[in-house]
Amino acid sequence: DGGITQSPKYLFRKEGQNVTLSCEQNLNHDAMYWYRQDPGQGLRLIYYSQIVNDFQKGDIAEGYSVSREKKESFPLTVTSAQKNPTAFYLCASSIGVLSGSTDTQYFGPGTRLTVL
Amino acid sequence: AQSVTQPDIHITVSEGASLELRCNYSYGATPYLFWYVQSPGQGLQLLLKYFSGDTLVQGIKGFEAEFKRSQSSFNLRKPSVHWSDAAEYFCAVGARTNAGKSTFGDGTTLTVKP
Repeated sequence: DGGITQSPKYLFRKEGQNVTLSCEQNLNHDAMYWYRQDPGQGLRLIYYSQIVNDFQKGDIAEGYSVSREKKESFPLTVTSAQKNPTAFYLCASSIGVLSGSTDTQYFGPGTRLTVL
Repeated sequence: AQSVTQPDIHITVSEGASLELRCNYSYGATPYLFWYVQSPGQGLQLLLKYFSGDTLVQGIKGFEAEFKRSQSSFNLRKPSVHWSDAAEYFCAVGARTNAGKSTFGDGTTLTVKP
């Protein structure tokens, strides 16, 4: 089955530690996105990538880093510089505008990160 | 810049009643519009989308939405709500000219009374 997987589903981190959230897709999509969701709020864009080896900051990139070495993978690292990292993190992908298509996004099941 | 407003934070309807969730957007050109649904602790699932053409679009699970350019709205409707429709609903606006990014509203939480 094609889709997006995120792991782990739940993640606990001590203050001052970096942690990496995994996102993998087998939809052959060019574009991938990371969002943060806080209770009662919508999705806020952290980083996005339109093609391999390229990515751009979204609205709330401070304290986060990403890489896009493979088309299928877009890991997100939450660094110790992120002051309030406890949240629900969602990864998404889309065919990508470079393919001449529209930007329906397909979402993974999410990772809930809790800082202890 | 594009933006989305969902005026209703929380809506409660009785099972079997009709539903309308409001969405207003701001975008300078023709937008791409989406409605997503999210169950607790899960990712988002696409309900329906509007890109062009017929302004009344049908989606999954019996939902439909109507694009009204004059009102900058894209309201979601369902004639008869089922208890399983209880979830959070997000409206989003996107555009190819914006690197494919979508902007999401803050969501509307739907509660269904038996």
